[in-house]
Amino acid sequence: AQSVTQLDSHVSVSEGTPVLLRCNYSSSYSPSLFWYVQHPNKGLQLLLKYTSAATLVKGINGFEAEFKKSETSFHLTKPSAHMSDAAEYFCGTLYSSASKIIFGSGTRLSIRP
Amino acid sequence: NAGVTQTPKFQVLKTGQSMTLQCAQDMNHEYMSWYRQDPGMGLRLIHYSVGAGITDQGEVPNGYNVSRSTTEDFPLRLLSAAPSQTSVYFCASSPSWTALNTEAFFGQGTRLTVV
Repeated sequence: AQSVTQLDSHVSVSEGTPVLLRCNYSSSYSPSLFWYVQHPNKGLQLLLKYTSAATLVKGINGFEAEFKKSETSFHLTKPSAHMSDAAEYFCGTLYSSASKIIFGSGTRLSIRP
Repeated sequence: NAGVTQTPKFQVLKTGQSMTLQCAQDMNHEYMSWYRQDPGMGLRLIHYSVGAGITDQGEVPNGYNVSRSTTEDFPLRLLSAAPSQTSVYFCASSPSWTALNTEAFFGQGTRLTVV
C-alpha cells in the first residue's frame, strides 16, 4: 500500500535560514507526490508536485523538493525562510489504483524573528 | 471563479443531531473527496467520488454518508453526531485521478463542534 510519512511534527527555524521539511514515501512503483501548505484558518494550497518528470521540482514562494528514489524521500526545502512561511505543510501521494490521495500527518513550520 | 465552496464555515451540533455539510465545485471536476483534519492526525480521507453516481469509502467512513447526484455537488451527511466527529472538514476536487499530472483543489473548510 502507498503511504507517506512526515518525519517531523514541528520544525522551527530563524528567519533567513534554510528550511527542510522531510517526507518519506512507500510505494511499489513510481508515485505522484505533492506538497501542500495550509496557512492558519485557511484551506490547503498546492506548493508543488512530482509526476515522474524532473526529479527536482520547483514550486511557488521559492520552495522546491527533490525526488530521491534510492532514499524513498521527497523533502521540501527553501534556501531562506520568511515570516510568511509559517504554516502547516502536508506531503501527499496519489494512490492511483484506488483513485485517492493520501496525506501525511503534517509538519508545522514556525519562523523565529 | 469560485472553485470549491463549502458551507457552513462553522457549526455547533448537539450529540445525536444530524446535519449535512455542503460542497460544490464549478470546475467540472470528476473527482471529489471529503477529509477531516485533527491535531496530530493530519488529513484523513472520509469518502470520495470518481464521478456522478459513484462513491467509495476512504480511511475513516464510519458515521458519515455521501452521495453524488450531480458533478458539481458532493454533500457529507452526519446521521447522528458524536463528540468524536468534532473536527475541521475539507472538501476537495480534482479534474481526474486517472492522469498523473493532476492536483486537488480544496475548499476553505468547515469547523464542526459536537457538544
